[in-house]
Parts: sequence; C-alpha cells; structure tokens
Amino acid sequence: AQRVTQPEKLLSVFKGAPVELKCNYSYSGSPELFWYVQYSRQRLQLLLRHISRESIKGFTADLNKGETSFHLKKPFAQEEDSAMYYCALSKKGGSEKLVFGKGMKLTVNP
Amino acid sequence: DVKVTQSSRYLVKRTGEKVFLECVQDMDHENMFWYRQDPGLGLRLIYFSYDVKMKEKGDIPEGYSVSREKKERFSLILESASTNQTSMYLCASSLQTGELFFGEGSRLTVL
Repeated sequence: AQRVTQPEKLLSVFKGAPVELKCNYSYSGSPELFWYVQYSRQRLQLLLRHISRESIKGFTADLNKGETSFHLKKPFAQEEDSAMYYCALSKKGGSEKLVFGKGMKLTVNP
Repeated sequence: DVKVTQSSRYLVKRTGEKVFLECVQDMDHENMFWYRQDPGLGLRLIYFSYDVKMKEKGDIPEGYSVSREKKERFSLILESASTNQTSMYLCASSLQTGELFFGEGSRLTVL
C-alpha cells in the first residue's frame, strides 16, 4: 500500500533562514511525487512535482529512491512562504489517485 | 482560468439529515475526487470518478455516496449526517497528467 509520511507537523523559522520540509514515502513500484501548498484562505494548489525537476518560488525537491524521500527545500525562506504543505504520491503511469501526507504548517517570522 | 466550484462554502446540518455537496468543473477533466481535510489527519480520499456514471471507493467511503451523471459535475452525498462527519470537504479534478485542481472547500458542521 502507498503511504506518505510527513514527520513534522509544525516548522517555524525566521525570514532568510533555510527550510527543509521532510517527506518519506512507502511504495513498492515507481512513484510520482508532488508537493501541494495551501496559503491562508486560498485553495490547495500544486507547488511542484518531481518529474518536472524545476524550481518553483525558490523551492526544490529531489526524489531519493534509496532513502524513499522527497524533501522540499528552500535556501532563504520568505514570509509569504507561510502555509500548509502537503506531500503526495501517485502510481507512475497509473491512476491519478493521490495519497497525501498529513501536512505540515510552515511559519516564517519577520 | 481553471475552475472547480463547490456550491456551498459553509453548511450547518443536524444529525440524521441528508446532505448534498455539489462540485462543478469547467475544464473538461475526466477525473474528479472528493477528499476530506482534517487537522492532523491531512487529506483523505472519500470517492473518486474516472468517467461519467463511474465511481470508485477511496480510503474512507463509509457513510458517503457519490453521483456523477454529467462529466462536469460530481456530487457527494451524506445519507444520514453524523457529528464525526464535521469536516472540510475538498473537491478536485484532473486530466491524466496528475495535477489536481481543487475547489475552495465546503466546511460542514453537523450538530
């Protein structure tokens, strides 16, 4: 069965500090990994996906199959990064049913 | 612009009432989903649909049913609402590319 674990529920940093939001997954096949973000009073939206290999709003995430991880990183956090972040997994090339982690709240203080 | 619209943002219902949550998307997406979002539990999939009149159970389908009579519309039904169904309900749609587009959510309170 697919499972996504976000070990930390809360992370609070100061503006300009590096951030790393951890995500570990359990899946025997080839997964597709995603990060979704929900800013205050906004709808949940896609932040990035591992197959695109791009940086969005300064965030990057690398799929590490050996460690079954997909950690989200940003070298210099901004106040506008404060939000709920969800890691999600789906089967590669299969159905688009996503399994989400429990989410993590990031707070960036001025 | 991509749009998923949930008809009710806030609902208050009594235990035992029948509840309908409506979701409409204007992107001609084949796939539609209903999740519930609870603090500390993340998003849990209730039901999903890959085509008109087609539905599949997600991880927590008990106490819920769905209807998809038209491609653009996916309804979530609570036959007899209970207090443990108080939650935020999120509808989403997608093509086969994997990106989900979410609605703004429907916050249901069952008294």
